[in-house]
Amino acid sequence: EPEVTQTPSHQVTQMGQEVILRCVPISNHLYFYWYRQILGQKVEFLVSFYNNEISEKSEIFDDQFSVERPDGSNFTLKIRSTKLEDSAMYFCASRSSGFQETQYFGPGTRLLVL
Amino acid sequence: AQKITQTQPGMFVQEKEAVTLDCTYDTSDPSYGLFWYKQPSSGEMIFLIYQGSYDQQNATEGRYSLNFQKARKSANLVISASQLGDSAMYFCAMREGGTTDSWGKLQFGAGTQVVVTP
Repeated sequence: EPEVTQTPSHQVTQMGQEVILRCVPISNHLYFYWYRQILGQKVEFLVSFYNNEISEKSEIFDDQFSVERPDGSNFTLKIRSTKLEDSAMYFCASRSSGFQETQYFGPGTRLLVL
Repeated sequence: AQKITQTQPGMFVQEKEAVTLDCTYDTSDPSYGLFWYKQPSSGEMIFLIYQGSYDQQNATEGRYSLNFQKARKSANLVISASQLGDSAMYFCAMREGGTTDSWGKLQFGAGTQVVVTP
C-alpha cells in the first residue's frame, strides 16, 4: 500500500541553524501539507501546497519557513534559523483531488532545537 | 473560537468493551468533512474514519463507527470490542469547504488519550 515517507525520523540542531525536512508524498497525490505537533499539544496546520505553489499558510508559517517541491517526488520544509520553540514533531501529509479524499500522514520528523 | 472540541482528555476502557470518544465542531460551511485519526505512542498519525457533511448514513470501518449528529454538530467515534492495541491518542479533525479547489487543511481537536486495560 502506498504511503507517505519522511526523513529524517529525528533531527537535533542548534538554535539558529537551518534544517530541511523531507517528505515523499504518495505518488498520484496532488495536494501536500505540513503540520506540526508540539509535545503534548494538538496538531497544527502550517502550509498547503498545490500546483507548485503555496495555496494556504497559517500564522505560524512566517518568513523563517519555506516549502519546495524540487522534483516530481520530494516535498521539503525548510526552517532558515531555528528557534527553541520550533521543537516539535513535523508531519507531512498528502491527498489526491476530490473533497472527500483523505489526507494520509507520514510518520513524522521529531525536531529538537537546542 | 475552537473549531473542534474534544472534551475528554483521557479515558480508561476495559478490553472487549466499547468506548465512545466525543467530538463537537463549529462551522458555518455547509460542506465539510470530519476525520478521526489515531496516534499511538510511536507518534504516527493513522487515519481511521471519514464522515462527509452530506453523507446520509453514519460511517463505519470495521470496529470503528462514527455517530454523526449534524444538528448537534457532533461526530463521536465509537470503538467496539476494544483491544489492548487501541491504546493511543485519538484526534478528531475537520476540513471545511466543499469544492474540489478547496485546499483542504485539517483543523484538529486536542485529542483524547485512551488506555485499554486487560
